[in-house]
This record gives sequence, structure tokens and C-alpha cells, in this order.
Amino acid sequence: EVQLLESGGVLVQPGGSLRLSCAASGFTFGSYAMTWVRQAPGKGLEWVSTISGSGGSTHYADSVKGRFTISRDNPKNTLYLQMNSLRAGDTAVYYCAVWSGPFDYWGQGTLVTVSS
Amino acid sequence: EIVLTQSPATLSLSPGERATLSCRASQSVSSYLAWYQQKSGQAPRLLIYGASNRATGIPARFSGSGSGTDFTLTISSLEPEDYAVYYCQHRSNWPLWTFGQGTRVEIK
Repeated sequence: EVQLLESGGVLVQPGGSLRLSCAASGFTFGSYAMTWVRQAPGKGLEWVSTISGSGGSTHYADSVKGRFTISRDNPKNTLYLQMNSLRAGDTAVYYCAVWSGPFDYWGQGTLVTVSS
Repeated sequence: EIVLTQSPATLSLSPGERATLSCRASQSVSSYLAWYQQKSGQAPRLLIYGASNRATGIPARFSGSGSGTDFTLTISSLEPEDYAVYYCQHRSNWPLWTFGQGTRVEIK
């Protein structure tokens, strides 16, 4: 059974940093690109970042470019999102996801709140 | 950047009625379009991929159609569990995927 379990979401002050983790199981982790998607309270889904299966290629939405860094540890089956210079607008539930045609799985999400 | 525009924003229908949701892309995405359902407090669930292919376990009352820039998700007869928010997502420009803003299907 495929499982994605996010962790690390907390209340953080503006300008602060945070690292989210996503522990994956039930599939060959290193064979798939992994993605972070976020959802601000009461709003729609926003693609944040994607990393290739090998970790050699990374991509970011303009809204987070230069502040967030996606990475992965394939032996540990874990995806990360390092978030720096956080702003109130980054407040959201952050989901990790894997999708390739019909192979489509999301975690339950972790809430990041940026507030003083 | 490809922009997806969903309409209507809200659809008010009674159980048993047919729901027709639209998604329009700012440029062609071929058939690289997916539809998701999201209920409050839950992660999105894939309904349709490749514009018209139902995902595993999705009931036959859900169907997708379209190609290029215009797509439709149809729910042939609404069940109580279908009231939710629906998002389209394009997958044509790896990995700069974007989502539509969503259509809420509510009980009339």
C-alpha cells in the first residue's frame, strides 16, 4: 500500500525557516518524481515544487523560487522541503504527492502557519 | 505559463441531477488533463487522467471529455457523496503543472 506521511508543519514567525518531511512507502521511491502542493486556508491548490526521481532536476513555482529548496534522500525514502524567509502568504496545508498517469497518491498534509 | 479557468465557480444541484463542469486552458494541453475531487479536510483524489480515463475505483457516473483547450467533467447522476470541490490540472508542461481555481458542487 502506498503511503505518504508529511511532518514538520508548525507555527513560525515571518522571516523564519522550516523543513518539511514526507516519508514514503509502498512504492519504488527513487523511480518517481515527487511534488509539493500547497493549499492556503479556504483557497485552491497551488503547485509548489517538483524533484526528479534521481534528485538531479528541481523546479519551483515563481512564488517560492529562491526561498524554498526541495530535496530527497532515496535510501531513506524521504522527501524534504526547506522553507526560508517565510511570509504570511506561505500559510497553507502542504501536501507531498506522486503522480504518473493513473499512479496518483497524496499525503494527508501538514499545516504551516506563518504569523507573529 | 498555462492558465486553467474553471466554470462555474459554484454549481447548485439536487441529488440525481447531472453535473457538468468546465475547464478551459489558455493554450493547448493536448489530452494531458486531470480532474480531482476534494472534500473538506481531505487530500485531493484523482478522478480522471488523460482527459477521459477514469482512475482506479472511480464510479462510472464520472466521465471526462475534451482535448486541446476545452474539457468537461460530467457526473451523470449526483450522489450525496459527490458534493465537493473539483479541480482540473494540466500535465502537459512537465513539471510546471497548474491547477484550475476549482468548482464547488453544492446541494440545492
